[in-house]
Amino acid sequence: AAGVIQSPRHLIKEKRETATLKCYPIPRHDTVYWYQQGPGQDPQFLISFYEKMQSDKGSIPDRFSAQQFSDYHSELNMSSLELGDSALYFCASSLNPSSTDTQYFGPGTRLTVL
Amino acid sequence: DAKTTQPNSMESNEEEPVHLPCNHSTISGTDYIHWYRQLPSQGPEYVIHGLTSNVNNRMASLAIAEDRKSSTLILHRATLRDAAVYYCILASLVFGKGTRLSVIA
Repeated sequence: AAGVIQSPRHLIKEKRETATLKCYPIPRHDTVYWYQQGPGQDPQFLISFYEKMQSDKGSIPDRFSAQQFSDYHSELNMSSLELGDSALYFCASSLNPSSTDTQYFGPGTRLTVL
Repeated sequence: DAKTTQPNSMESNEEEPVHLPCNHSTISGTDYIHWYRQLPSQGPEYVIHGLTSNVNNRMASLAIAEDRKSSTLILHRATLRDAAVYYCILASLVFGKGTRLSVIA
């Protein structure tokens, strides 16, 4: 079965650079979530989208922005990167944003900021 | 937001049942209880969820206390592949600390 696809899988950037992470949800899933997981930390919710509109916002820094496109894929844009942004970034998708709905996670993008 | 409390770590022998507890004393009447697990170097994986009644699926069972202030994830026969961090979550967007399960051969 098709799963959530994230690209790139690994990304190395310098401080103050920008990065764009992409997420392709499972077909027919219209809800996308972004999480950040620092080393040894638990996943922290950043932001979510439903039908191309932001549906919920968590601890996403102002330097980050995200959007969901007409084909339901989503991109997380990160600017003025800091060392502390080094983390695993997971995208998840679900059929709808209901609290009962299962989230299916992608394999993650490992971002390293040097 | 309602919070969950789980033991930091637990250990189990292979082929033995494992009971992973979660306290959620401030749960609201409409909060579903979700369990996810995260294997090393992988994204979280859905395990099971429920509202009031106990639930079973191919991966695990979920026992929910009558007052809903606690729940227990039950792995009926632990295998080495079950070694992971298990998260008990109320609102699906908030991951707590989780329980790191070690399985001993």
